[in-house]
Amino acid sequence: GQQLNQSPQSMFIQEGEDVSMNCTSSSIFNTWLWYKQDPGEGPVLLIALYKAGELTSNGRLTAQFGITRKDSFLNISASIPSDVGIYFCAGLGRETSGSRLTFGEGTQLTVNP
Amino acid sequence: IAGITQAPTSQILAAGRRMTLRCTQDMRHNAMYWYRQDLGLGLRLIHYSNTAGTTGKGEVPDGYSVSRANTDDFPLTLASAVPSQTSVYFCASSDTSKGSNSPLHFGNGTRLTVT
Repeated sequence: GQQLNQSPQSMFIQEGEDVSMNCTSSSIFNTWLWYKQDPGEGPVLLIALYKAGELTSNGRLTAQFGITRKDSFLNISASIPSDVGIYFCAGLGRETSGSRLTFGEGTQLTVNP
Repeated sequence: IAGITQAPTSQILAAGRRMTLRCTQDMRHNAMYWYRQDLGLGLRLIHYSNTAGTTGKGEVPDGYSVSRANTDDFPLTLASAVPSQTSVYFCASSDTSKGSNSPLHFGNGTRLTVT
């Protein structure tokens, strides 16, 4: 089946630094989604991307849908302590059902004050 | 507050016992999903339902069953729990009537430990 490679697996940064994480796949996706999971909670949608080349921002977060449809990145600018959590990318392939959503393994972000 | 409610929040279960994880959504989403989350493996789809009355198998369906008698409820049953089913289970829903690429909304999870 389709697989997503998400990197890095973990990051330890200082407050105020910028962060970048990405996902790549050997398969083409029609939709890329980025989620954040806080401890003890379910993932929450941050950004959704629907077109190749699309660049979308949500506050300090910026994500892009790669031109090849096989990759996406998420940037966080001027990180703050509440950015701590696990960030997941997810891709939806050619199948028409949401059941074909594939998740990356996640990036654990730690922000030191 | 609209969203997804999962119960119980956590459970310790003896191997061989039967267990049903409950999931209810009040957003009238047509599609619902069950995922398990394990360290280093991300989220893996167990079963899904595109609409009330239908279900389908995901990536890791063995040992689990689901039913979708109505739009709001999507229970997940472990008929005879085994230790490898120790995990955090997330229920999710999406409104695919707005498009097949509608994002998923997640519950807060059920932490299950099988001893």
